[in-house]
Amino acid sequence: GQNIDQPTEMTATEGAIVQINCTYQTSGFNGLFWYQQHAGEAPTFLSYNVLDGLEEKGRFSSFLSRSKGYSYLLLKELQMKDSASYLCASVDSNYQLIWGAGTKLIIKP
Amino acid sequence: DAGITQSPRYKITETGRQVTLMCHQTWSHSYMFWYRQDLGHGLRLIYYSAAADITDKGEVPDGYVVSRSKTENFPLTLESATRSQTSVYFCASSLKVDGANVLTFGAGSRLTVL
Repeated sequence: GQNIDQPTEMTATEGAIVQINCTYQTSGFNGLFWYQQHAGEAPTFLSYNVLDGLEEKGRFSSFLSRSKGYSYLLLKELQMKDSASYLCASVDSNYQLIWGAGTKLIIKP
Repeated sequence: DAGITQSPRYKITETGRQVTLMCHQTWSHSYMFWYRQDLGHGLRLIYYSAAADITDKGEVPDGYVVSRSKTENFPLTLESATRSQTSVYFCASSLKVDGANVLTFGAGSRLTVL
């Protein structure tokens, strides 16, 4: 079956760095997305990886290892506004998105 | 306003009633999607549409009906609502960004079935 695993909840301190991991098992692979979702709001696009390696976008970076079925989202210089859920989604062979349940990130001052 | 809008934002209904959730986009994107989001689950695809008059089932289509007579509108109908359909429903459209088909979501419709 198809499966996306990510931690349910993580806590980090303002100004610190946090890494949110995601492992995936899907029928085929055509890329991996990360979305951010603040409580009560819609998910918004953060990053897309289709090749192995690290993609950096300001304070956020996303890493992919296709051989390991593994990705992570790295958030640097954490701010209170980064408190949100982070959703990992893999694109399968039919170009359908398979979503993880999300990681709720709590930032403490 | 440009973007993707959903209505109503909040709806309370009773078991057995018909409910329609509306979705309207102003970008003329070909692909549109309906997802439901429940605690402990990832987003689950209900239906999607590749173009006007073309719709297809997703992972959890039972109990739902969609139509797409115009590119900009993609309504979702619950023909006879059940308590298990209490959820937050997100409509989305797809835009190509740097080679990736990125979903842009509406604000969501929170449905409670009593």
